[in-house]
Amino acid sequence: GAGVSQSPSNKVTEKGKDVELRCDPISGHTALYWYRQSLGQGLEFLIYFQGNSAPDKSGLPSDRFSAERTGGSVSTLTIQRTQQEDSAVYLCASSLAGSWTSGGTEQFFGPGTRLTVL
Amino acid sequence: RKEVEQDPGPFNVPEGATVAFNCTYSNSASQSFFWYRQDCRKEPKLLMSVYSSGNEDGRFTAQLNRASQYISLLIRDSKLSDSATYLCVVNGYSSASKIIFGSGTRLSIRP
Repeated sequence: GAGVSQSPSNKVTEKGKDVELRCDPISGHTALYWYRQSLGQGLEFLIYFQGNSAPDKSGLPSDRFSAERTGGSVSTLTIQRTQQEDSAVYLCASSLAGSWTSGGTEQFFGPGTRLTVL
Repeated sequence: RKEVEQDPGPFNVPEGATVAFNCTYSNSASQSFFWYRQDCRKEPKLLMSVYSSGNEDGRFTAQLNRASQYISLLIRDSKLSDSATYLCVVNGYSSASKIIFGSGTRLSIRP
């Protein structure tokens, strides 16, 4: 079946512009995560959606970052007034459930959007 | 101190060798542990979960040491295709925001 898809795959923008990144999770997955990965670094948690619950936004680095998930499916991450330090790969993942009990539930990642802010 | 620390490597070993990496974590309340694999310029994929009693999947063995707060990954009879970055993942609570990814250990297998 189809995996997690993200668009665009690459985005080059100028400092100060707004960008929107899209994530289509696997059908039926209730949990959706956004991460950011800078070159040679680990994944930085940004935001988490679980079903109809209020999202966990605790990882968003500033108020320039926001995300929505419409209808419990597609999610959009928006970065306003982009800065050069926003340059990174933005990864979206989904899982069947968000409860990380013993054993956990596997996160399936999309291919990412590589954002370059000039 | 980082919440999850890994030796960044790179580990450069010959094909057929056995290689092991550790990952230390700072939160003693951490509950769930995983190893993910990430190929160059690709997304991470789950390699294996790590269970308290240790677990094995083919050539891969994962172990958890709660007393010393580290997890390990052992790869036996390494293959060229094992070349990748291995990410340690630790969850401190039943909350996605406490899922911490390590920076990864880069492994390169040479012929």
